[in-house]
This record gives sequence, C-alpha cells and structure tokens, in this order.
Amino acid sequence: DAGITQSPRHKVTETGTPVTLRCHQTENHRYMYWYRQDPGHGLRLIHYSYGVKDTDKGEVSDGYSVSRSKTEDFLLTLESATSSQTSVYFCAISGREGTEAFFGQGTRLTVV
Amino acid sequence: GQQLNQSPQSMFIQEGEDVSMNCTSSSIFNTWLWYKQDPGEGPVLLIALYKAGELTSNGRLTAQFGITRKDSFLNISASIPSDVGIYFCAGQLTGTASKLTFGTGTRLQVTL
Repeated sequence: DAGITQSPRHKVTETGTPVTLRCHQTENHRYMYWYRQDPGHGLRLIHYSYGVKDTDKGEVSDGYSVSRSKTEDFLLTLESATSSQTSVYFCAISGREGTEAFFGQGTRLTVV
Repeated sequence: GQQLNQSPQSMFIQEGEDVSMNCTSSSIFNTWLWYKQDPGEGPVLLIALYKAGELTSNGRLTAQFGITRKDSFLNISASIPSDVGIYFCAGQLTGTASKLTFGTGTRLQVTL
C-alpha cells in the first residue's frame, strides 16, 4: 500500500467552525490532491499541489484552502464549515506527471 | 466540471460470470486508470493504461485503452464474491499535473 495517512478518519463539527484535515505521505511524491466524494457526484477535485508551496484550485475549491509547507504534508482547511461540506474527503498522491495516483483511506466529515 | 460517463451504473451477476463495463469521454485522455472502492475505504488502483489501443491484464481483470483515446473498458472474468464493490474509471491528460477526472462508477454485486 502507498504510504498515505489521513487524519482524522472521522470528524463531526459545527457549522461555522474551522476544520483542518491532514494528509501525510511517506513516498516523497511530488503531486498531492484533495478530492471529495458525494453520492451522485463521484470524486471531484478540490485543490492540488505540484510541489512545496505550489498549489492550485480544482473544480470545487470554494470554501476550501490548502497549504503544503513540506513535501510529505498537505493540509485542507475549511475556514468556516457549512453543511454542504459534509462529505468524504480523500487525499491522493502521484509521483510523476501522467502516472498512477494512489489514495488514502478517507476522512468522513459531518457538519451539523 | 467534466465527468466521465460510466456504464452500467450497477449490475447484479452470479458468481463465475464475466463482467464488462466501460467509460466514455467527450475529450481525449493520455492515461486511463481503473480503481475499485470497497465500503469505507479509499479507491484502490487496479490497472493503468498509457497508450491508445493498449490491452493490460491484472489477474482476472483486463482493461483496454480505446483507440480514439476517449474511452476505456474493464472486463472481469469468472467473478467471485470479493469482486463486489464500486469500480471507477479515471482519465488523465498530460500537462495537467496528473489531475484525474472520474467516472460516475459502476456498482457490482455478485450473488452466489
């Protein structure tokens, strides 16, 4: 299994509170991604990183920010959580352009 | 954002039967990936395809990269109960930092 650890695995939070999800990899891969998975929508890209301090938006980036200060860590922050951000969040990594991507086990986030 | 069309959406089959599913896109991709997801887990990579026309096998699984680069197919031979899960295709375009566009998924259920 690819060395990807997501934390926490489950979280319940209140509307309006900030939340940070962490993705940690031990593969020294250049690319890291955050996806969300919702019924009827499949997996959609939130943000991605192509190197330390290099990040860009995906298709559903509103309400989310990311940071990557080290190769191994990619953080996803919900500045003020809303119920529409209740979802399962997956981190993925890829070593080179155009090659396989490997996924973490996911974080189930519930915003009440 | 674009989503790939995956069919069928779901299928019930009997153990021992062969399974076919496909994925189509309105635009071309340079890489096609097939993933399987079990409940509560992240997607697990099954097969990666890198060339138009390529046929690749992984045990009982065989996948093909369509000649037009706009489609891909996955076949499972002699299905077994542990094949149950959701199968996703994903396309990747060179020069886009390995971002993935996902299909809508095929839910496979195997009866004894």
